[in-house]
Amino acid sequence: KQEVTQIPAALSVPEGENLVLNCSFTDSAIYNLQWFRQDPGKGLTSLLLIQSSQREQTSGRLNASLDKSSGRSTLYIAASQPGDSATYLCAVLSGSARQLTFGSGTQLTVLP
Amino acid sequence: NAGVTQTPKFRVLKTGQSMTLLCAQDMNHEYMYWYRQDPGMGLRLIHYSVGEGTTAKGEVPDGYNVSRLKKQNFLLGLESAAPSQTSVYFCASSYSRLAVSTGELFFGEGSRLTVL
Repeated sequence: KQEVTQIPAALSVPEGENLVLNCSFTDSAIYNLQWFRQDPGKGLTSLLLIQSSQREQTSGRLNASLDKSSGRSTLYIAASQPGDSATYLCAVLSGSARQLTFGSGTQLTVLP
Repeated sequence: NAGVTQTPKFRVLKTGQSMTLLCAQDMNHEYMYWYRQDPGMGLRLIHYSVGEGTTAKGEVPDGYNVSRLKKQNFLLGLESAAPSQTSVYFCASSYSRLAVSTGELFFGEGSRLTVL
């Protein structure tokens, strides 16, 4: 059974700092890994998707890397802003049923 | 463009009561999903549907039933609510299994259910 872990559960940083969020998964036989953003009281918005054959994806100030063999992904946020405050979840697509398994998320607070 | 709409957004139930959550999507998607989100546990799949008239169990199906009588709607029912079903419920949809693989999965804004 696939398990996804995110550390830390919560993170508070001053504005402008570069930061890294971590995601690990137990079964390396994945189709892809996604990073989502969740704002309070809202649904999930996809930020970046890395296919199993890729090593990284970039979108603006966000960069996600994937090391499938070690079961790890990182989300790098450059020059953080208060508007980046949200919960970030990673999810892996795996199994014959192609189901998403989510981590429990990292709650990020960027202080002005 | 409504996307994925969930109703109601909030509900308080007493133990033993029944209720139905409605998910509606206007994107002509084949695949629809119901997840629950609990503190410290991420999202867990309850049931899903790969097309009109079909449903399948996910990771945590016990205590829930679903129906997909119309392609655009996916209903989640609680026949006899329990405090353990207090959670935030999310519906999601995608055009196809391939679309899920390319990240085209769209979520509703959630329904917060409290069972007393």
